Amino acid sequence: DAKTTQPPSMDCAEGRAANLPCNHSTISGNEYVYWYRQIHSQGPQYIIHGLKNNETNEMASLIITEDRKSSTLILPHATLRDTAVYYCASFNQFYFGTGTSLTVIP
Amino acid sequence: GAVVSQHPSWVICKSGTSVKIECRSLDFQATTMFWYRQFPKQSLMLMATSNEGSKATYEQGVEKDKFLINHASLTLSTLTVTSAHPEDSSFYICSAAVPITDTQYFGPGTRLTVL
Repeated sequence: DAKTTQPPSMDCAEGRAANLPCNHSTISGNEYVYWYRQIHSQGPQYIIHGLKNNETNEMASLIITEDRKSSTLILPHATLRDTAVYYCASFNQFYFGTGTSLTVIP
Repeated sequence: GAVVSQHPSWVICKSGTSVKIECRSLDFQATTMFWYRQFPKQSLMLMATSNEGSKATYEQGVEKDKFLINHASLTLSTLTVTSAHPEDSSFYICSAAVPITDTQYFGPGTRLTVL
């Protein structure tokens, strides 16, 4: 099963872009990369997923490297409400790593 | 779209009693639902995969006789914690997979406290 690694914490200034990296070097060719976030004491919220191509939706952008060994979630204009733990997952999204605790600073 | 609900949102029970948690997909049918457990300051841990009309598949180390899972319809899965003990106190979260994309949508979670 593909394992993901993320930095434990990051800070970002309000209004600036937040770039959250994830390494998934053991991902196989048909495994998607999924991103979720969890605000304290709530269920995780789906953000975005992708296979090979970069993806964008109303919440974020996902940049996947050509070798697919890593990806970056981009929140283009971070707000205080984006403070949460962000998880990337692969292998059918079932196995979550420790995630990155993002703090958006006013 | 893709809304998943859980009930109750929190429950406090005495040691030795059983607690049932419901997970519903409100606007889609889910052949597969998942149950997770999360302890404070830790990540989500998959407990079991629930398939409609068949037995659940449990992850290694999860006692199937203690955590009973029933997936009787395409919109409802239940988790029953039998003979609960204080160490079972945790945040239990379900998710449902949207057909075709298999993207998981999570419920809001149930906080169980066993006294």
